Amino acid sequence: AQSVTQLDSQVPVFEEAPVELRCNYSSSVSVYLFWYVQYPNQGLQLLLKYLSGSTLVESINGFEAEFNKSQTSFHLRKPSVHISDTAEYFCAVSPGGYQKVTFGTGTKLQVIP
Amino acid sequence: SAVISQKPSRDICQRGTSLTIQCQVDSQVTMMFWYRQQPGQSLTLIATANQGSEATYESGFVIDKFPISRPNLTFSTLTVSNMSPEDSSIYLCSVDLGRDPRFRREGGPYNEQFFGPGTRLTVL
Repeated sequence: AQSVTQLDSQVPVFEEAPVELRCNYSSSVSVYLFWYVQYPNQGLQLLLKYLSGSTLVESINGFEAEFNKSQTSFHLRKPSVHISDTAEYFCAVSPGGYQKVTFGTGTKLQVIP
Repeated sequence: SAVISQKPSRDICQRGTSLTIQCQVDSQVTMMFWYRQQPGQSLTLIATANQGSEATYESGFVIDKFPISRPNLTFSTLTVSNMSPEDSSIYLCSVDLGRDPRFRREGGPYNEQFFGPGTRLTVL
């Protein structure tokens, strides 16, 4: 079985400041890693994913996440946030195959003007 | 990717009644999933719905409370039966294109889930 820990339930940050949303996981097998974003009153959208290859993955809106196997982490970063980034962000892991995807408890990013 | 719609988007219901939520996908998919997102919490998988077979329920969820239909490859319904205030949640359907033989890429399946917009249910 695997688990996901998102240590920060809420992260307030000023507009144009950098942000890091933390995600740690535990698993006895190799996993695939995902970040999903949920904007207010909407469903979840896949933001980015790590399946294999380069440990640094990027999204189209400036977010990036780095897979660190030794630290079992997949932190999400953005060098300069915008008001429109205000949302809840969920980290998720899966062993792949037909196994269940496990979601973290989410981090609410609040961008302050 | 897949475009997923859900009906209704929100509803307010009385205790003891039932609500059926519909999920429509713009592609034929093998596996569909139903999740519950309770206030302030993460997503919890209720069940997996495959076309042509009975839904598979996760621990803590039973068919009598959450009956699911999967009549074809693009549609599913979840019914929340005999509702109580504890059932107030967002209910989300999703598809996993990474595990679908129609979309699977080399080296997969990859568990790439796409979610509907959710149904926000309030039970009074």
